[in-house]
Amino acid sequence: SQQGEEDPQALSIQEGENATMNCSYKTSINNLQWYRQNSGRGLVHLILIRSNEREKHSGRLRVTLDTSKKSSSLLITASRAADTASYFCATALSTDSWGKLQFGAGTQVVVTP
Amino acid sequence: DTGVSQDPRHKITKRGQNVTFRCDPISEHNRLYWYRQTLGQGPEFLTYFQNEAQLEKSRLLSDRFSAERPKGSFSTLEIQRTEQGDSAMYLCASSRNPGDRDFGPGTRLLVL
Repeated sequence: SQQGEEDPQALSIQEGENATMNCSYKTSINNLQWYRQNSGRGLVHLILIRSNEREKHSGRLRVTLDTSKKSSSLLITASRAADTASYFCATALSTDSWGKLQFGAGTQVVVTP
Repeated sequence: DTGVSQDPRHKITKRGQNVTFRCDPISEHNRLYWYRQTLGQGPEFLTYFQNEAQLEKSRLLSDRFSAERPKGSFSTLEIQRTEQGDSAMYLCASSRNPGDRDFGPGTRLLVL
């Protein structure tokens, strides 16, 4: 079973708009990561946020983490057509940070010019 | 080093045949992971290695699946007696520290 669940499943926006997607998980985590996957390709690591962090930025990406609600959000600001991809959250368990990452089903984002 | 590589990138086989995939991790990464991804879903963990030791196997890894990393460098994933339900993207990743995973481009398997 998958630990994380993303919401929404799909998102369609225009260039320049912001895109926000959410991830909920079930068990205690060491860290939470966001990945991007272009159609039919491998995953690209975007950002990692540790369980003792609440917010992190990387370029146009902003990630928040609320461990009390077991949820995270990814915000992409000023979206571009090249941001069209599927976005996945993945969690590393607090008991096994080296081990398996558990992925959600992803949010499919389409950015139209 | 150009990253994690996987070979082949695509494989079409008939049901009942055996297939083997190869993953070459980033050279200084001692952890190597295999995932399977079906259409519209996120990757599902299969197994991982620290050097040549296989540390964890998912229940998804049935008796028909076997993974090896004989010298702690490249890894192979073999599927015996393939079934149509094995059709998926098989992803390999490697890691140097707990926080990161560098993923390869994947091997897309189609079982006819």
